[in-house]
Amino acid sequence: AQKITQTQPGMFVQEKEAVTLDCTYDTSDPSYGLFWYKQPSSGEMIFLIYQGSYDQQNATEGRYSLNFQKARKSANLVISASQLGDSAMYFCAMREAGLKTSYDKVIFGPGTSLSVIP
Amino acid sequence: NAGVTQTPKFQVLKTGQSMTLQCAQDMNHEYMSWYRQDPGMGLRLIHYSVGAGITDQGEVPNGYNVSRSTTEDFPLRLLSAAPSQTSVYFCASSTTGAHYTDTQYFGPGTRLTVL
Repeated sequence: AQKITQTQPGMFVQEKEAVTLDCTYDTSDPSYGLFWYKQPSSGEMIFLIYQGSYDQQNATEGRYSLNFQKARKSANLVISASQLGDSAMYFCAMREAGLKTSYDKVIFGPGTSLSVIP
Repeated sequence: NAGVTQTPKFQVLKTGQSMTLQCAQDMNHEYMSWYRQDPGMGLRLIHYSVGAGITDQGEVPNGYNVSRSTTEDFPLRLLSAAPSQTSVYFCASSTTGAHYTDTQYFGPGTRLTVL
């Protein structure tokens, strides 16, 4: 079963505008972490932002913020004041604490391609 | 710190050939993992390790072997390459594998083509 859903395969945004990339997840574990990564055309995976399931406030890192709605199981990434360099693939990922003694694993969504238009 | 390094960056193999993808990290991370990335499928976990001498299978382990003799290195072996293993391979590491707050950091990737 798909645990991470990113329903927007491709998005466009005007430079300097804000954009929201959607991510919904499925877990029955009360303890989990949510991560967003950026993959530019050069191919590397760059960590952007983290949100823990017990965090009371939405995470922010510079122009990135995470709109965390726990009851709806969504963790949308908001990029403010888009720049041309933000054009990339964006992946949402989840790490569950695990309900057994084995170590936790990270699960990735299929990604959203963001294009910033000048 | 160099972070997570991977070699080679690019590789072309013929069906049936074997090779090892190298991964090393200098952050003293306990947890290391290998992913493959295929178009439209995000990243899928192949194998992971929670420390030297301990490895386990991920989502798509068939056709791949791993071992972890040191904290720093986590090589991925393809014993008999198949065209279905054409992909981009990423190695990643995090402080431990035992807590959901641990952030994974990725290497630059290896683009493998099997003819």
